[in-house]
Amino acid sequence: NAGVMQNPRHLVRRRGQEARLRCSPMKGHSHVYWYRQLPEEGLKFMVYLQKENIIDESGMPKERFSAEFPKEGPSILRIQQVVRGDSAAYFCASSGATLQFGPGTRLTVT
Amino acid sequence: TQLLEQSPQFLSIQEGENLTVYCNSSSVFSSLQWYRQEPGEGPVLLVTVVTGGEVKKLKRLTFQFGDARKDSSLHITAAQPGDTGLYLCAGEGSYGQNFVFGPGTRLSVLP
Repeated sequence: NAGVMQNPRHLVRRRGQEARLRCSPMKGHSHVYWYRQLPEEGLKFMVYLQKENIIDESGMPKERFSAEFPKEGPSILRIQQVVRGDSAAYFCASSGATLQFGPGTRLTVT
Repeated sequence: TQLLEQSPQFLSIQEGENLTVYCNSSSVFSSLQWYRQEPGEGPVLLVTVVTGGEVKKLKRLTFQFGDARKDSSLHITAAQPGDTGLYLCAGEGSYGQNFVFGPGTRLSVLP
């Protein structure tokens, strides 16, 4: 029973490029959360999705960031025109009764 | 907006000591979870508490949920270096599956 999977684990992008982060939830889970974590800080909520539906995107920056969870395939967090301040660890979690986290994607913007 | 506070923010102790970390809010949560996160990894769920006043034990870890379901504590007995990590509490709100995280307590247990 595979857990939550995220890829890539590490991603390096130059300023202005696009970053695509993927998350496959646990089998049977239809809810996905994305969180961002800066070094030495806690988790900041970004967005909560069900299949084909965004439930809560109140933590998502209004520009450059978007998320989707299509009927088939993984959830995608997309960051357009990345800036140095986007460098962080991005964690995906899927939920049944509790959250199960993936290992994260560490984005570095150079 | 539901917010969770955690204290202390940082804690450094010697192996064998006992410690307690706290998670507090002015809001009521339908459940509360504790996670431990090690460097370079995602948070790992330790426990979920649901009932006000509930106490759960996990080996040397004791978790308590406040009677009013607004706060929780984690007590570690005879801490070991393997307990080192970031301890996060997260509350499930009353209006659907909205999980709010505290900022975490960073624990360092020195041998």
